[in-house]
Amino acid sequence: KAGVTQTPRYLIKTRGQQVTLSCSPISGHRSVSWYQQTPGQGLQFLFEYFSETQRNKGNFPGRFSGRQFSNSRSEMNVSTLELGDSALYLCASSLGLADDEQFFGPGTRLTVL
Amino acid sequence: DAKTTQPNSMESNEEEPVHLPCNHSTISGTDYIHWYRQLPSQGPEYVIHGLTSNVNNRMASLAIAEDRKSSTLILHRATLRDAAVYYCILRHSTYSGAGSYQLTFGKGTKLSVIP
Repeated sequence: KAGVTQTPRYLIKTRGQQVTLSCSPISGHRSVSWYQQTPGQGLQFLFEYFSETQRNKGNFPGRFSGRQFSNSRSEMNVSTLELGDSALYLCASSLGLADDEQFFGPGTRLTVL
Repeated sequence: DAKTTQPNSMESNEEEPVHLPCNHSTISGTDYIHWYRQLPSQGPEYVIHGLTSNVNNRMASLAIAEDRKSSTLILHRATLRDAAVYYCILRHSTYSGAGSYQLTFGKGTKLSVIP
């Protein structure tokens, strides 16, 4: 069974640009969550999508948005990039909404110059 | 808001038990305690979770203090593969809709296993 896949794995952008990251969940999983990981702030929860609707949200500005498609694949968008957005962005999938066990992908390393 | 505190690092000898502590003195009654670990260059991996009672699974045991202000993740026999950063996470139900919650992450404990 294939795991969670994230594309691209590495990305370099400049301040002010926008970026879209993609996540394909494990087959049959309907929930996708996104996390940001930085050396300073550690792991932080961005949001969770289930049935194409955002169900839970962390404490991030509106520049961070996402969506989920009918096949459960999800995208995360960050607009007007700032230097502080440089981070590892992790996607996790689970069978249902708010499941205790989530399965993480390898992450997308975003560098903002 | 609830907070979690973990030691920055710990060491263990291979094949010995490891006790990883987490302090969550401001935990509320319905907060679940989750543990994930992150191996180098990988995404986090689920380890175990619990509410009030001690929990066991094939990977580890979770011991929760009676007052729930602390918990301990127990690896019964550390192997080299267990070297990772271990995160203690609280999940707080917000009751603003089905399945709604907030997450509080610890900074993680980096476990080194000595052969």
